[in-house]
Amino acid sequence: RKEVEQDPGPFNVPEGATVAFNCTYSNSASQSFFWYRQDCRKEPKLLMSVYSSGNEDGRFTAQLNRASQYISLLIRDSKLSDSATYLCVVGRGDKLTFGTGTRLAVRP
Amino acid sequence: DTAVSQTPKYLVTQMGNDKSIKCEQNLGHDTMYWYKQDSKKFLKIMFSYNNKELIINETVPNRFSPKSPDKAHLNLHINSLELGDSAVYFCASSQTGTGYNQPQHFGDGTRLSIL
Repeated sequence: RKEVEQDPGPFNVPEGATVAFNCTYSNSASQSFFWYRQDCRKEPKLLMSVYSSGNEDGRFTAQLNRASQYISLLIRDSKLSDSATYLCVVGRGDKLTFGTGTRLAVRP
Repeated sequence: DTAVSQTPKYLVTQMGNDKSIKCEQNLGHDTMYWYKQDSKKFLKIMFSYNNKELIINETVPNRFSPKSPDKAHLNLHINSLELGDSAVYFCASSQTGTGYNQPQHFGDGTRLSIL
């Protein structure tokens, strides 16, 4: 079983749609959680950290359920510029483990 | 003002050659990393150095040798390149010891192609 599992997609949605990505992780000792975004042929960039209480940054909302070992990302009012691969990332100490990513394509 | 910079951006070379990739960060971070992203886009950690000391060494062939002359630099030397080494190699850095939720900042990658 992979340490971090994500639905690879692609998710193909119209502009303005709400889309949700899910992620599960296998190591219950994981301590830190992030969503990264990676555009085609670019480096991964931090989108947001994920906290147990849930957190929001503009149109983006992240949730963490430690009991179920489950992380989610909700994107509201999708924009064309949101098209990218979204990487679920789980950390233990200084080591980050990346999921394989979920591809999002937002169409006009 | 590039925070994490890698050189070269592209590297095309023949099987059997030896090559190096350099990485520098100006964020004042104490930990640096090398990742490999293969053709299936899976991003996997290879090495991590904290203040010039090797911390993480995943299952990587010993043809790969990282070197950290100081905490702002982490270079990667690869001997006897093989076809399977073709990938994008990302350098990253982070500040550790201040709490768990410390994200890593990535360089823009070195695209290595083996002919």
